[in-house]
Amino acid sequence: AQSVTQPDIHITVSEGASLELRCNYSYGATPYLFWYVQSPGQGLQLLLKYFSGDTLVQGIKGFEAEFKRSQSSFNLRKPSVHWSDAAEYFCAVPRMDSSYKLIFGSGTRLLVRP
Amino acid sequence: DVKVTQSSRYLVKRTGEKVFLECVQDMDHENMFWYRQDPGLGLRLIYFSYDVKMKEKGDIPEGYSVSREKKERFSLILESASTNQTSMYLCASSPARGTGELFFGEGSRLTVL
Repeated sequence: AQSVTQPDIHITVSEGASLELRCNYSYGATPYLFWYVQSPGQGLQLLLKYFSGDTLVQGIKGFEAEFKRSQSSFNLRKPSVHWSDAAEYFCAVPRMDSSYKLIFGSGTRLLVRP
Repeated sequence: DVKVTQSSRYLVKRTGEKVFLECVQDMDHENMFWYRQDPGLGLRLIYFSYDVKMKEKGDIPEGYSVSREKKERFSLILESASTNQTSMYLCASSPARGTGELFFGEGSRLTVL
């Protein structure tokens, strides 16, 4: 079955440190790929998306993600984390049988130490 | 600014009550979705609508129904609420010929006692 895996449930980093959140997916072809962020008590906001072309994608709030076809990965990175980045992060990919529906990973909760 | 608005941010209901969760989008999107979010499970699709009066079951439709009488409005209905339906409910929309990118509301946190 098609899946999106975020292997880290929680990650804690110090403010100013770098961050990488992992995402692996199963898909038959090169997919569209998305990262969303959810602040506490809020809905999901799109951070960035990959459709085609350059495999390094820039998003909002200083985030970037790199698509690696050989590893079926789309990891999210930020060089210097701010306390306001504390949130939950979701990776998503369209379903193969219905591209307008997304499959979401289970999420990674980011905690930021002062 | 484009917007998906969920009418209730927080609701507390009793077991057996009928519950309506309302969602309105102002982007003229054809597709609308209801997801349920639970810790450790991510987002699970309850129902999807691709046009007025059209709907499809998602992955966890049991205990839920939906209504889409107008393009901009998509309602989730819990006919007889149960405690295991305590959750965060997220509405989203997308254009018919899009890339799959979803636009989300702020969520409705439902507690069933």
